[in-house]
Amino acid sequence: GNSVTQMEGPVTLSEEAFLTINCTYTATGYPSLFWYVQYPGEGLQLLLKATKADDKGSNKGFEATYRKETTSFHLEKGSVQVSDSAVYFCALDDAYGNKLVFGAGTILRVKS
Amino acid sequence: DARVTQTPRHKVTEMGQEVTMRCQPILGHNTVFWYRQTMMQGLELLAYFRNRAPLDDSGMPKDRFSAEMPDATLATLKIQPSEPRDSAVYFCASGLVQSGYGYTFGSGTRLTVV
Repeated sequence: GNSVTQMEGPVTLSEEAFLTINCTYTATGYPSLFWYVQYPGEGLQLLLKATKADDKGSNKGFEATYRKETTSFHLEKGSVQVSDSAVYFCALDDAYGNKLVFGAGTILRVKS
Repeated sequence: DARVTQTPRHKVTEMGQEVTMRCQPILGHNTVFWYRQTMMQGLELLAYFRNRAPLDDSGMPKDRFSAEMPDATLATLKIQPSEPRDSAVYFCASGLVQSGYGYTFGSGTRLTVV
């Protein structure tokens, strides 16, 4: 079945550091890929998305590129801020319209 | 911005009581999910609906959980009887299947069973 694997956290960075959170997936067909962010005490918010190979999703300084050859969708940001501290979830929506499948989530802590 | 509305935001109940959580999906969305989030298990898919029909509820304990969509503007998740291990945050999400736009989550219902 479809699955998403994320790097384990927590990831702890200093402000202005470069961020990478790895995400790989297993799916049949051509899924859409997403990153969601969850701030403390809140629901999940869609951060960015990509619907086909080589697409780059971007939002609020975050980027991720849909790499079909490596089945990856790694999240990056050039300079993190304390306000980016949250839990980040990688997810896929398979091409056959079935379940939205999430990774386990990665906690990001940014220190000033 | 359109929102998914969940009620109540918080619920404390005694073990054995019935709990009903409600979700108002975004108008026009044809898919609704129910997820449960705990520290130990992360996000678990409980059930989901397409065009109000249940597609998969294999993630729910069938003996105590039930999910319904009585109409396009309301999805419900019911627990009867509730147990302390049901304590979690329950999220509803809605979207348009295969639109590529992702799904919008509600703010969740934090359930505590004592």
